[in-house]
Amino acid sequence: AQSVAQPEDQVNVAEGNPLTVKCTYSVSGNPYLFWYVQYPNRGLQFLLKYITGDNLVKGSYGFEAEFNKSQTSFHLKKPSALVSDSALYFCAVRASYGGGNKLTFGTGTQLKVEL
Amino acid sequence: GAVVSQHPSRVICKSGTSVKIECRSLDFQATTMFWYRQFPKQSLMLMATSNEGSKATYEQGVEKDKFLINHASLTLSTLTVTSAHPEDSSFYICSARSRTRPNEQFFGPGTRLTVL
Repeated sequence: AQSVAQPEDQVNVAEGNPLTVKCTYSVSGNPYLFWYVQYPNRGLQFLLKYITGDNLVKGSYGFEAEFNKSQTSFHLKKPSALVSDSALYFCAVRASYGGGNKLTFGTGTQLKVEL
Repeated sequence: GAVVSQHPSRVICKSGTSVKIECRSLDFQATTMFWYRQFPKQSLMLMATSNEGSKATYEQGVEKDKFLINHASLTLSTLTVTSAHPEDSSFYICSARSRTRPNEQFFGPGTRLTVL
């Protein structure tokens, strides 16, 4: 069975500081990894994905994530946080083969960026 | 591209009534659609997967007679919550997978269901 762990329920960052939102995963075979952001009462917005290739993935709004196979991690990062980045962030994984394209989500991390 | 819409965005109904939620892929054909449920401050839980023209596959613990899913065309799937009760109140989100980008899911904006 595949799973995702987001160990922090909430991350607080001052505006202008770098931010990291942690994610580790477990899946059979090679993973496809995703980060989504959700604003209150809204659906999920895609930020970035890792399918294959370069371990450092750049996505929307200045976010990036690094795939680390040995640590089974896919942490989300941004060099300089903005107040508007405050939202709920979800990491998701699916197996590259089989599984019916099912995505498994982490429990989410609430990011709060303060002035 | 790859836009998914949901209708309605918000619905309030009385206990015992049925509610239908539509999920549409606006600019692509969705070979597979997924329905998720999200409780406040919790993650998304997959309810069912539906392929166009075939019966939906429900996750363990999801009542198929309670949550009727129809995927009648390549651009439309519907979720009907039958005989809704207050415990069915939740945020329902659909996603769709396209033939041309099979490794990704594109999410709708969600529907907030409140059952009084």
